Amino acid sequence: AQSVTQPDIHITVSEGASLELRCNYSYGATPYLFWYVQSPGQGLQLLLKYFSGDTLVQGIKGFEAEFKRSQSSFNLRKPSVHWSDAAEYFCAVGARGFQKLVFGTGTRLLVSP
Amino acid sequence: ETGVTQTPRHLVMGMTNKKSLKCEQHLGHNAMYWYKQSAKKPLELMFVYSLEERVENNSVPSRFSPECPNSSHLFLHLHTLQPEDSALYLCASSQGTGEWYEQYFGPGTRLTVT
Repeated sequence: AQSVTQPDIHITVSEGASLELRCNYSYGATPYLFWYVQSPGQGLQLLLKYFSGDTLVQGIKGFEAEFKRSQSSFNLRKPSVHWSDAAEYFCAVGARGFQKLVFGTGTRLLVSP
Repeated sequence: ETGVTQTPRHLVMGMTNKKSLKCEQHLGHNAMYWYKQSAKKPLELMFVYSLEERVENNSVPSRFSPECPNSSHLFLHLHTLQPEDSALYLCASSQGTGEWYEQYFGPGTRLTVT
């Protein structure tokens, strides 16, 4: 069965600093991988996804993620964080052939001035 | 975001009440989903509907009863809930379920069971 681990519950980053959020997954085949963001009182918004091909994927709002098969990781990065990036970030893995997403527990990003 | 709407946004109900959550998508999608988001737990997929047929029921207790009358509307009927059912209930929709399509989420209904 698929599973996703986000080891950091909270991360605080200074505005303008770089960001990396960690995600490790467990899945027997090449997975579909996603990063979602949830602002307070809002639903989830897709930041980016990896299906196949180039292992570095670009998303919205200046985010990118790199798929590393050898490490079973799909870490999210942003070179310069803005205060509006403060939110909760979820990594998810999907099984091929069916739209069943398995989510991690999320990482809450706090941005300090 | 008006692609997927959910009503009500907040709901407080007693354990003996019956209530319904409503989800509507304006994206022309064919698949709809209910998720449960509890504090400190991963999002849990509850139900999936594809072309108005239920294709997934993720071992959800019978006190939760979904209904999908057409491809634009999804309901979650609630009865005799328990306090541990308090959570954020998220609805999502996608173009389909055969290939992988992005799921679009609504803002959720915050449910409190007293």
